[in-house]
Amino acid sequence: DAGVTQSPTHLIKTRGQQVTLRCSPKSGHDTVSWYQQALGQGPQFIFQYYEEEERQRGNFPDRFSGHQFPNYSSELNVNALLLGDSALYLCASSLALGLAGENEQFFGPGTRLTVL
Amino acid sequence: GQQLNQSPQSMFIQEGEDVSMNCTSSSIFNTWLWYKQEPGEGPVLLIALYKAGELTSNGRLTAQFGITRKDSFLNISASIPSDVGIYFCAGRGAGGTSYGKLTFGQGTILTVHP
Repeated sequence: DAGVTQSPTHLIKTRGQQVTLRCSPKSGHDTVSWYQQALGQGPQFIFQYYEEEERQRGNFPDRFSGHQFPNYSSELNVNALLLGDSALYLCASSLALGLAGENEQFFGPGTRLTVL
Repeated sequence: GQQLNQSPQSMFIQEGEDVSMNCTSSSIFNTWLWYKQEPGEGPVLLIALYKAGELTSNGRLTAQFGITRKDSFLNISASIPSDVGIYFCAGRGAGGTSYGKLTFGQGTILTVHP
């Protein structure tokens, strides 16, 4: 059973550029959430996608946008990159209508983004 | 952004010792979760708690959902070297969807000396 996969594993960009990160959810999951984890910090919620729509959003600017595809995979896009966007970006998948214990979020290994 | 208050920030212990860490919040949560993260990996779910007062075990790990719904505790008994990692608490709020955003603590870095 494949877990959550993310690509690429590492990425280096310069300020002002745009980046797209990709996530494939765990088999059977239909909901994808994105988190930003700065060095030495806990993950911070960016947004969550279900049925191809953004359902919930954290305190991140509009430079952060996303998309969910019919196969439940998802993309995170960040425009006009800033140095402070350097972080580990985590994708987590879950099952929207699962029983307790089934609808918890399972995380991928993350994409390490460095902005120079 | 909002984070839970997790303590201690780091722990250095000898193999075989017990470990305790806790997490507090100013907000009520419906669900408390405990994750472990190792270098180069995403967080891995250890224990999920769904009811105030609930005590749940997973092997040598035991976690409790505080009665006030504003705190949670994780204990690790008889630590072993592979327990090394960063432990995060996470809460899911009372409002909104049950499968909504998680709010994380800052993490507890655990080092186990053989």
